[in-house]
Amino acid sequence: GAVVSQHPSRVICKSGTSVKIECRSLDFQATTMFWYRQFPKQSLMLMATSNEGSKATYEQGVEKDKFLINHASLTLSTLTVTSAHPEDSSFYICSASPARGDEQFFGPGTRLTVL
Amino acid sequence: AQSVAQPEDQVNVAEGNPLTVKCTYSVSGNPYLFWYVQYPNRGLQFLLKYITGDNLVKGSYGFEAEFNKSQTSFHLKKPSALVSDSALYFCAVRANTGGFKTIFGAGTRLFVKA
Repeated sequence: GAVVSQHPSRVICKSGTSVKIECRSLDFQATTMFWYRQFPKQSLMLMATSNEGSKATYEQGVEKDKFLINHASLTLSTLTVTSAHPEDSSFYICSASPARGDEQFFGPGTRLTVL
Repeated sequence: AQSVAQPEDQVNVAEGNPLTVKCTYSVSGNPYLFWYVQYPNRGLQFLLKYITGDNLVKGSYGFEAEFNKSQTSFHLKKPSALVSDSALYFCAVRANTGGFKTIFGAGTRLFVKA
């Protein structure tokens, strides 16, 4: 149980294009989903927290207009990297939590490469 | 403010020997503490958590962690390491008073040598 999927697992795009990453909780309803960014050999940096049906809460320094997050249902959240640039290349990981106080279940991550 | 420190970038241990991966934390109120493991190009896998109760928490794959409130530590341990335990380990903390943000440590890379 408690499986979270991400799609795509890997994406390569040209600079200036937009990329959408999906995060799905497959066997539970996720009241809260989180989006992280991980640079090589570094820890996870929380980008934003989203609750179903409401606007995401972005961490300081994260551009909300560049990283659009939509939590349309209790099983799906999307992260859209708009007008991507090479410096946006990173490993993006989502996680989902079924209720306050429970652990987070992580997706397998999406490797974004912007050329 | 919440913070997590993993003082060792890397831990090397021989297979069959006990292993310890250190973690200290700072948080207002009582903490929720977690350990996760990450294999290359993969997401994080949950190992164990401490919310309340017994200070010694047992988790997946034979791992355990001891919550020490006075030392604000939550070290990860395993009595006998396996080569397959080689991975990146993250300690994480979340305050249980308001907010839901989890802070991750920098990670400790564990190498288990055969």
